[in-house]
Parts: sequence; structure tokens; C-alpha cells
Amino acid sequence: QTVVTQEPSFSVSPGGTVTLTCGLSSGSVSTTYYPSWYQQTPGQAPRTLIYSTNSRSSGVPDRFSGSILGNKAALTITGAQADDESDYFCVLYMGSGIWVFGGGTKLTVL
Amino acid sequence: EVQLVESGGGLVQPGGSLRLSCAASGFTFSRYWMHWVRQAPGKGLVWVSRMNSDGRTISYADSVKGRFTISRDNAKNTLYLQMNSLRAEDTAVYYCASDLSEDSYWGQGTLVTVSS
Repeated sequence: QTVVTQEPSFSVSPGGTVTLTCGLSSGSVSTTYYPSWYQQTPGQAPRTLIYSTNSRSSGVPDRFSGSILGNKAALTITGAQADDESDYFCVLYMGSGIWVFGGGTKLTVL
Repeated sequence: EVQLVESGGGLVQPGGSLRLSCAASGFTFSRYWMHWVRQAPGKGLVWVSRMNSDGRTISYADSVKGRFTISRDNAKNTLYLQMNSLRAEDTAVYYCASDLSEDSYWGQGTLVTVSS
């Protein structure tokens, strides 16, 4: 069974740039996996940031961007702010109607 | 304003059943694929099930196949998840969400606790 991989944790300095990735235990992520990214703070519902690789959700600041980097999907945060400290999840479409989330990345801004 | 409001969660014994509902408003529900996603306490998001706009195309995660049934009533703008033969590992907050390949809307979730 294919596993969707994310860095368990990452840290970034305020104002800095960080790239989180979303990969596969076997194979490469491409746009056909419709990678999407969600931000979640404790006790809150997920919030859509990026969908279908690089489309930004309504109201999301343009310092959040999505792409394919090498064999992974990527979420880049440029000019990190304190309130970006959250959990970030990616999801991939595996085909045959099946979607799989990654384990999530806990981002610390310090 | 777009709203997805889940309800129907609660405490249930192992082997029991629950039916979750997700009431949609503020968008044309009947045009959207809809999903159920769950999150165990302190854990990550897990995709559960998906249904297309007219209810004819359905898929499930292996962990719930044969036990859970997704359905919808487009006249009532409501998505459902019938959960049978519940297990302790089904304990989670259950979210409904619109099409994950698009700018998806999410509800606030409803907590299901399976315990004796």
C-alpha cells in the first residue's frame, strides 16, 4: 500500500521561507495526483490552502504557493509569520476514487 | 456564506451504529462531489469516503469498506454517513468536505467515540 510522506516537523524563522513536501513511498507525485494542502490549528477544522497542485484557495495570502518539486508536491511559505505555526496536511488522489492524506507536518515559527 | 454543519456524533458501544449528517448551505450542493474525512484524537487526517454529485459513484477507504455507507439527499442539501459495526479505532472527529480536487469547503466536525 502506497504511503503519502510528509516531514513530521519543520521550523522556520519569522520572515523566512520554508518548503514542505508531500511524496510517495513508491513513485513520483505529479499533477495527476491533484495534490492539495490544508492548514489546521489545534481544535479547528482544516482550512484549504492550495488545491490541484498550485491553485490558491480564496482568501489565502499569496505567500502560500504550491508546486511540484522533483518527485514531490511542495508547499512554500514565503515570509513566514507567527500565525503560520500550524499543522499542514497534503492529500493525493490515488485513482479509482481513493484519496490518501499524508501524516502531516507540524510547523514551528521561531 | 458557505456552511457545512455535521451532526449525529456521540458515544456508542463497540459493535454499535451511528448515522452522521452534514447539512450544506451557501453553495450549490447538488453539483459537488462530497467526502468524509476523520481525525483520531491527536492524529492526522484520514480520508474515509467519497460520493459524486448524483450519488452514483462511491468509494471507501479499506478500513471502513463493508461497514460504512455514504449517501446524500440533494433535495435536502445533506450528506450522510451510516456507520455500522463500530470499533474503538473508529473514534475520531468526522468532517465532511466538498471536492478535494477543488477549493474545498470543510465543516467543523462531529466527534464519534466508540467505547464500552
